[in-house]
Amino acid sequence: NAGVTQTPKFQVLKTGQSMTLQCAQDMNHNSMYWYRQDPGMGLRLIYYSASEGTTDKGEVPNGYNVSRLNKREFSLRLESAAPSQTSVYFCASSERGPHQPQHFGDGTRLSIL
Amino acid sequence: GDSVTQMEGPVTLSEEAFLTINCTYTATGYPSLFWYVQYPGEGLQLLLKATKADDKGSNKGFEATYRKETTSFHLEKGSVQVSDSAVYFCALRRGSGTYKYIFGTGTRLKVLA
Repeated sequence: NAGVTQTPKFQVLKTGQSMTLQCAQDMNHNSMYWYRQDPGMGLRLIYYSASEGTTDKGEVPNGYNVSRLNKREFSLRLESAAPSQTSVYFCASSERGPHQPQHFGDGTRLSIL
Repeated sequence: GDSVTQMEGPVTLSEEAFLTINCTYTATGYPSLFWYVQYPGEGLQLLLKATKADDKGSNKGFEATYRKETTSFHLEKGSVQVSDSAVYFCALRRGSGTYKYIFGTGTRLKVLA
């Protein structure tokens, strides 16, 4: 069972470069999320998509854009990377309904020099 | 706003010791509550959940009871193993009006042989 798949697993960028983090889920979930995880700060929500065709900002959206390409895929783009965006990025998905847990990918470890 | 507070870590225990990781929450209505576990280099995995007051979630020897009167969801295990060493996250999702999940900052557990 693939679940939530994130690519790439590791990436090193130079300041000012752009890149897109990919996420795909095979569980037919409606909602998808992007988080960043930094030491001592837990998970912070960047953007989420409650359903196909909608996206909304989370706590820390500045410097990021997202695209819900279809029901399966939700990508995160850094247009001009900054060292402050060095982090581990997690994608998650969930079924509709408040009692449903989230399912997480294994993360993308991104370093910006 | 909604929030989750976890005890600061790291928590260091000897194998077979009793584990408690405290979690308290603030939320309107009747949220669902979750514990996730994160092993090194991996994403978060659902450990257990509870969806209403007095529910007890359990999995792999871990337990947590949804206490509405004390707004708590403490994680317990009677006898920890070295393999339980990980970071544990408490989380909630409000029952309506949002697709967002609120996470605590995580508690690192280290179990010594």
